Amino acid sequence: EPEVTQTPSHQVTQMGQEVILRCVPISNHLYFYWYRQILGQKVEFLVSFYNNEISEKSEIFDDQFSVERPDGSNFTLKIRSTKLEDSAMYFCASRGTSGGSVAEQYFGPGTRLTVT
Amino acid sequence: AQKVTQAQTEISVVEKEDVTLDCVYETRDTTYYLFWYKQPPSGELVFLIRRNSFDEQNEISGRYSWNFQKSTSSFNFTITASQVVDSAVYFCALRNLYGQNFVFGPGTRLSVLP
Repeated sequence: EPEVTQTPSHQVTQMGQEVILRCVPISNHLYFYWYRQILGQKVEFLVSFYNNEISEKSEIFDDQFSVERPDGSNFTLKIRSTKLEDSAMYFCASRGTSGGSVAEQYFGPGTRLTVT
Repeated sequence: AQKVTQAQTEISVVEKEDVTLDCVYETRDTTYYLFWYKQPPSGELVFLIRRNSFDEQNEISGRYSWNFQKSTSSFNFTITASQVVDSAVYFCALRNLYGQNFVFGPGTRLSVLP
């Protein structure tokens, strides 16, 4: 069964460093998402991406964040200068177009980001 | 604005007990979708069910069942004969028809004790 994959599974970085979290969505999916979950808290939407541009973003997704689909398979989230409060689990998700807008989002296993 | 409330922060039950996890939502949309996800200790989000607002039929899948009550804006989840492997955090989530993102509830941590 096709699945969303994310690398790395765990990333440790120092405050102020740039990190890039990588996701490989399901191959025929066209809509891509990033969510964040701070430890012990709920999952929060960050951004959605379609047709090579951001279609919606939350107030969490400030200028420190950017997303990119550099090739036909990867979907990346970049945090330009990490802060301690960026420590969280980051989930990528993708969905296809079958079933219209009700198509399910499939989540990746997450990348745990630890900023020290 | 959309909002999902899961009033139970933590629940502990003994194996084989039935347990119900509550979910109450708020939305102004007439068409929307409700979801339940399971997050085991390993951290991934496991899709359990999607229900659209036009379908109020209750659903049963094995030991899992869902009770959607539009009149009370609730979408409760029952596990029958709970097992230790059911121990996880369970999230209820809401998405409207044209929305791109989910609104998740705060989650309920379920511990099933042997």
